[in-house]
Amino acid sequence: DTEVTQTPKHLVMGMTNKKSLKCEQHMGHRAMYWYKQKAKKPPELMFVYSYEKLSINESVPSRFSPECPNSSLLNLHLHALQPEDSALYLCASSQSRDQPQHFGDGTRLSIL
Amino acid sequence: EDQVTQSPEALRLQEGESSSLNCSYTVSGLRGLFWYRQDPGKGPEFLFTLYSAGEEKEKERLKATLTKKESFLHITAPKPEDSATYLCAVPRSGGSYIPTFGRGTSLIVHP
Repeated sequence: DTEVTQTPKHLVMGMTNKKSLKCEQHMGHRAMYWYKQKAKKPPELMFVYSYEKLSINESVPSRFSPECPNSSLLNLHLHALQPEDSALYLCASSQSRDQPQHFGDGTRLSIL
Repeated sequence: EDQVTQSPEALRLQEGESSSLNCSYTVSGLRGLFWYRQDPGKGPEFLFTLYSAGEEKEKERLKATLTKKESFLHITAPKPEDSATYLCAVPRSGGSYIPTFGRGTSLIVHP
């Protein structure tokens, strides 16, 4: 079982919907990440939070909005997504820089 | 520019047939190399961290080694349950701790 928990596991939404992805870790890690992964591709970094502050935004479209309410939780708010946004969205956390990231099992997102 | 290249892209083995996966990298000042295993529809599972040339780590049938330019993941007497995609990653140059991932090696072990 992974120590990073993501919900929901699957999500189907229309292009006009608003939904949120949730991620939780209780390992005391101070860095948390959102990744997007397409089939047969490596994970692609979207956002990094360090000590609950957004430290990296990899030029992600504004229809994706991250939020870090506390050191254990990470949300990704979705609005007006496009069909090409369909992918596996992964959350990860790490103790600190240069430490390996631990991933959740992701949310499989489908945009109709 | 940081680069991580994995080979082969895909590998098919018979059960018990040992082999190695390669991860070559170009990054200024290596601060670690990570190996992950990813099963279909799941997130990457952390396997190993290697920090310096000559270092080796082992876990069951897997052994990871590191040189100054590449890392190998040796799989000894693989079983079908070892079938997965294996990813390697290194932190970006310049002090960032954001990893650059290779494209992975898809391993299939036939019974």
